[in-house]
Amino acid sequence: AQTVTQSQPEMSVQEAETVTLSCTYDTSESDYYLFWYKQPPSRQMILVIRQEAYKQQNATENRFSVNFQKAAKSFSLKISDSQLGDAAMYFCAYHRTYKYIFGTGTRLKVLA
Amino acid sequence: GAVVSQHPSWVICKSGTSVKIECRSLDFQATTMFWYRQFPKQSLMLMATSNEGSKATYEQGVEKDKFLINHASLTLSTLTVTSAHPEDSSFYICSARARDRGLNEQFFGPGTRLTVL
Repeated sequence: AQTVTQSQPEMSVQEAETVTLSCTYDTSESDYYLFWYKQPPSRQMILVIRQEAYKQQNATENRFSVNFQKAAKSFSLKISDSQLGDAAMYFCAYHRTYKYIFGTGTRLKVLA
Repeated sequence: GAVVSQHPSWVICKSGTSVKIECRSLDFQATTMFWYRQFPKQSLMLMATSNEGSKATYEQGVEKDKFLINHASLTLSTLTVTSAHPEDSSFYICSARARDRGLNEQFFGPGTRLTVL
């Protein structure tokens, strides 16, 4: 069965600095998708970034980028120039066909 | 575009009563809707997947007679918690996958907080 692991329950970053959130997953499939979602205090899930497993190029979205290592089954999220609004829970998610599996989440605190 | 709403956003009910939560895709047709449960400070756990016009597929350990899911149209799915008990108190989130978008993208509703007294 597929699993998603986020080993950092909580991270802190100084405003304007860079932080990396870790995610590893386990699957025997070769074709799948990976996501990072942000859940602020409002609890609305917001898509941050998406990576297709068949693409070697790492996805980027403005200040957010990923380091996708398919062989190592690693999918980390880098947030550059951190802003106070980035403070939230971040969930890594694996998707294949109709199945979405979420990690346990990392709470990101941004220090002013 | 791709907005998903949930109603109500917060509900309090007495033990033994049933509660219905609605999930609507406002500006797109949803081929598939998902229902998640999230306990405080925990992750989202998929409860069931529903496709319009067919029976929902429940995850292992989820009682289908307790959590009734109806996906009557391409824009509406409902979750009914029957004979609710305090242990059913949780945050319930739905998501929907659009008919005309990539099959891998889902859009989340804002969630419903259920408190059973």
